[in-house]
Amino acid sequence: DQQVKQNSPSLSVQEGRISILNCDYTNSMFDYFLWYKKYPAEGPTFLISISSIKDKNEDGRFTVFLNKSAKHLSLHIVPSQPGDSAVYFCAASWWGAQKLVFGQGTRLTINP
Amino acid sequence: KAGVTQTPRYLIKTRGQQVTLSCSPISGHRSVSWYQQTPGQGLQFLFEYFSETQRNKGNFPGRFSGRQFSNSRSEMNVSTLELGDSALYLCASSLSGTGSYEQYFGPGTRLTVT
Repeated sequence: DQQVKQNSPSLSVQEGRISILNCDYTNSMFDYFLWYKKYPAEGPTFLISISSIKDKNEDGRFTVFLNKSAKHLSLHIVPSQPGDSAVYFCAASWWGAQKLVFGQGTRLTINP
Repeated sequence: KAGVTQTPRYLIKTRGQQVTLSCSPISGHRSVSWYQQTPGQGLQFLFEYFSETQRNKGNFPGRFSGRQFSNSRSEMNVSTLELGDSALYLCASSLSGTGSYEQYFGPGTRLTVT
């Protein structure tokens, strides 16, 4: 039972344009959501997070949107840069869980 | 501040052997979690330790175990290795685990079982 789903295994975007990565979840207990970025041969790097009491959180070029009624969140990267090429993981957790539940990841490629 | 460190980075073992992986968390972080990453299953939670106590465990067989020391360093052990245990094992640390959701990952240990 996959509680966090990233339905797009890959995404290709032109440099300078917007990248939108999507994530769906099924567990209503989730109250915190995170995005991680992973380069080959490295561990995931924390990017940005959002609590379920908010619907938007911004940090520089990165914005995460949360739609609780649709159980959907998205990560927007504007403008996209070549260094953004990586695998992006969506993760979720809830109070007291002491663990993160990850999606399968989306490979983002930024083309010059 | 130094990040999460994991040793060794690469390991090759034979079926039936056992292996111990080590993780040093970010200074001041008291919670350490372990994850297994495989191409088929993605990132799967193994277990979490805080103050030397296991607080949560994922759906893995008893061959997978771990411990945490008083300095928050952690080890995980896999006994009687199987081919399917080949994976990237990631350690993550966080301030306390409850109320601080962000976890910071080390580079991982790539385990190959032959």
